[in-house]
Amino acid sequence: KAGVTQTPRYLIKTRGQQVTLSCSPISGHRSVSWYQQTPGQGLQFLFEYFSETQRNKGNFPGRFSGRQFSNSRSEMNVSTLELGDSALYLCASSLASTTRGDEQFFGPGTRLTVL
Amino acid sequence: AQSVTQLDSHVSVSEGTPVLLRCNYSSSYSPSLFWYVQHPNKGLQLLLKYTSAATLVKGINGFEAEFKKSETSFHLTKPSAHMSDAAEYFCVVSESGSGNTGKLIFGQGTTLQVKP
Repeated sequence: KAGVTQTPRYLIKTRGQQVTLSCSPISGHRSVSWYQQTPGQGLQFLFEYFSETQRNKGNFPGRFSGRQFSNSRSEMNVSTLELGDSALYLCASSLASTTRGDEQFFGPGTRLTVL
Repeated sequence: AQSVTQLDSHVSVSEGTPVLLRCNYSSSYSPSLFWYVQHPNKGLQLLLKYTSAATLVKGINGFEAEFKKSETSFHLTKPSAHMSDAAEYFCVVSESGSGNTGKLIFGQGTTLQVKP
């Protein structure tokens, strides 16, 4: 079974631009979560989508948004990029994520650099 | 509120010696606890998870962890370190319930260095 895939793997943008990152979950997984990883803040939860609906959201500004398609693929968008948005963005998928111990499977991440 | 504290930011061991990575958690309810590993420029891989079954949990690559509710700890151990174990390790907590779906809370990570 193929793992979680993320595209692109690397991105370089300038301040003020917007960016869209893509995530394809493991086949059969309906929940997709997004995380931001930075050296200073570590790994922080952005949001989670299930059946095309955002079920949970972390403490990030509205510039960060996402969506999920009927095939469970997900995209996240960051508008008006700031230098502090430079990070590794990780996507994770799971079967349902409402039960205890539901394991999340992570993709390799997208490395975003904002200049 | 949930939180995780990894007590050591960096641990250095010699190959063949035991590994101990320490983790304390805070949770209002019975949590699920995980250890993930991240090798350089790679995604996160699950080592093991605790979900209220046996308190001693065995994972991949010889790692295990013991859930101690009285100490709110979930330390990760391995009897004998291998060079390939060098990586970043994350202790993670999650709670069930509609307000917590899809959300993992990560510790700050422990860098494990293995010396030959």
